[in-house]
Amino acid sequence: ELKVEQNPLFLSMQEGKNYTIYCNYSTTSDRLYWYRQDPGKSLESLFVLLSNGAVKQEGRLMASLDTKARLSTLHITAAVHDLSATYFCAVTRGGTSYGKLTFGQGTILTVHP
Amino acid sequence: DVKVTQSSRYLVKRTGEKVFLECVQDMDHENMFWYRQDPGLGLRLIYFSYDVKMKEKGDIPEGYSVSREKKERFSLILESASTNQTSMYLCASSSLGQGSNQPQHFGDGTRLSIL
Repeated sequence: ELKVEQNPLFLSMQEGKNYTIYCNYSTTSDRLYWYRQDPGKSLESLFVLLSNGAVKQEGRLMASLDTKARLSTLHITAAVHDLSATYFCAVTRGGTSYGKLTFGQGTILTVHP
Repeated sequence: DVKVTQSSRYLVKRTGEKVFLECVQDMDHENMFWYRQDPGLGLRLIYFSYDVKMKEKGDIPEGYSVSREKKERFSLILESASTNQTSMYLCASSSLGQGSNQPQHFGDGTRLSIL
């Protein structure tokens, strides 16, 4: 059974600081996604990571994937208040899974002035 | 832009009622999904459908059923609502899984309360 675990689950940061959210998954997968969810809103896709060593960046967020370690990271650089949200990683299941995803628990990020 | 529309943002129902949650997508996607979201548990897959009239159970299908009579519409049915089904329900759609790198696109969610 595929399990996805995020760490930490709660993250309180000061503006201007850097931090990393970790996403571990238990079995081989071919795709990993990062999503953002603002309070009361839907999930917004941030990144799709497809291969070992993949790195993608958008603004102050950078995501990477190590398929051998079954680990993805979401790095936040010089945090700003607008980044406050819940971040989810999600991993595709193997075989003819029709793109089914298994999600992590989510990391609630709060950025303070 | 992909649009996934859920019929209600908030819904309050009584125990034992039959509840229908509706979802419509406008991108001709083959796959549609229903999740429930609970604090600390992330999103858990209830049911999904990969074609009209085709459906498969997800991880937590007990107490739920689904209907997909048209490609763009996917309905979640709570046969006899219970208080432990109080949750946020999210619908999503995507193109075929094999060879597709596109993410799932989500609706705004329905916050359902069962009294």
